[in-house]
Amino acid sequence: KAGVTQTPRYLIKTRGQQVTLSCSPISGHRSVSWYQQTPGQGLQFLFEYFSETQRNKGNFPGRFSGRQFSNSRSEMNVSTLELGDSALYLCASSLAGTLSSGNTIYFGEGSWLTVV
Amino acid sequence: QKEVEQNSGPLSVPEGAIASLNCTYSDRGSQSFFWYRQYSGKSPELIMFIYSNGDKEDGRFTAQLNKASQYVSLLIRDSQPSDSATYLCAVNVGGSQGNLIFGKGTKLSVKP
Repeated sequence: KAGVTQTPRYLIKTRGQQVTLSCSPISGHRSVSWYQQTPGQGLQFLFEYFSETQRNKGNFPGRFSGRQFSNSRSEMNVSTLELGDSALYLCASSLAGTLSSGNTIYFGEGSWLTVV
Repeated sequence: QKEVEQNSGPLSVPEGAIASLNCTYSDRGSQSFFWYRQYSGKSPELIMFIYSNGDKEDGRFTAQLNKASQYVSLLIRDSQPSDSATYLCAVNVGGSQGNLIFGKGTKLSVKP
């Protein structure tokens, strides 16, 4: 069973540019979450999508946005990139929409973004 | 502000010893608790989850939860050098699965 797939794995962008990252969840998983990981702040929740609707959003500026398609694949976009956006962006998928015993999130390998 | 706190370490233990990793959380409404392991340059992988007070064992790993004290721990028995990694504690405060609050992780080093 294929895991969570993220593309691209590595990318370098210039300040002011925008970037789009893609995530394909585990087959059958309908919930996709995005996280940002930096050495200083650790792992921080960006947003979660379920059935093409954003269900939760973390404390990030509006430059960070996302969407989910009918096949559960998801994209996140960061506009007007800043140096501080350099981070590992992790996508995670889960099976069910609500908390239940045994269900949790599984991470992809991540997209390493460097802003110069 | 909902927070999850962990000692950053590094925690160094000899091979074969028990490694004890601790985590506290601020939100009493937290419902489920997870331990992830992250090797350098890799993404987090789930080790254990626990929902109820008490202990939960899976192989060499035991998760312990005390909701009254807002404390969750992970014990690793017979530690191996391959256990050397950063261990992340994560808490779900309710609602959907995808919204977890993570601690900043404890770096564990197991010396041969």
